[in-house]
Amino acid sequence: AQKVTQAQTEISVVEKEDVTLDCVYETRDTTYYLFWYKQPPSGELVFLIRRNSFDEQNEISGRYSWNFQKSTSSFNFTITASQVVDSAVYFCALSPLTGNQFYFGTGTSLTVIP
Amino acid sequence: EAQVTQNPRYLITVTGKKLTVTCSQNMNHEYMSWYRQDPGLGLRQIYYSMNVEVTDKGDVPEGYKVSRKEKRNFPLILESPSPNQTSLYFCASSLYGPDTQYFGPGTRLTVL
Repeated sequence: AQKVTQAQTEISVVEKEDVTLDCVYETRDTTYYLFWYKQPPSGELVFLIRRNSFDEQNEISGRYSWNFQKSTSSFNFTITASQVVDSAVYFCALSPLTGNQFYFGTGTSLTVIP
Repeated sequence: EAQVTQNPRYLITVTGKKLTVTCSQNMNHEYMSWYRQDPGLGLRQIYYSMNVEVTDKGDVPEGYKVSRKEKRNFPLILESPSPNQTSLYFCASSLYGPDTQYFGPGTRLTVL
């Protein structure tokens, strides 16, 4: 079975706090891609990051960082020093190399309170 | 500008009246896909296409049809819409199957 679980439905933080969004996935494939997308209140889907299953290096991009751990099948996303503009729904997604389908989690709605 | 376009952006229709939502991309992408987004369910894949004339079912294909006669276009057809197809629909494209997908702006469909 292919599945992505985002157990946190809604999170609220005060501006400047750090926040981590959890993503746990299931797949029988050994080769796959993981993604994070952002959906701001305007509704569009914005690509944030792609990670392949062979690359477990953590990645940092400005205030954003991603922690990929194959041992726990997790691909967590941390926002450091959150800002109001980070308020959005964030989706984690899985795409196994075989099968050509995409599987999205149910999303985490993040609200950053000024 | 590289983009995925969808039309219409908003549509209100009645049960049983056939409709088509168009999707077009200008990035020469091989892979195109349709999703529906519903509260609490995230995005679910309806159909996808690896290339011209090649389409496959996603997780929720019932009640939908697609076609891929040209590389750039991938219309979504609802032959007899029902109220449970009221949703936000996204088209997406990527260079190849598991690659990064780029999404259109979304089409909000209401079926009365």
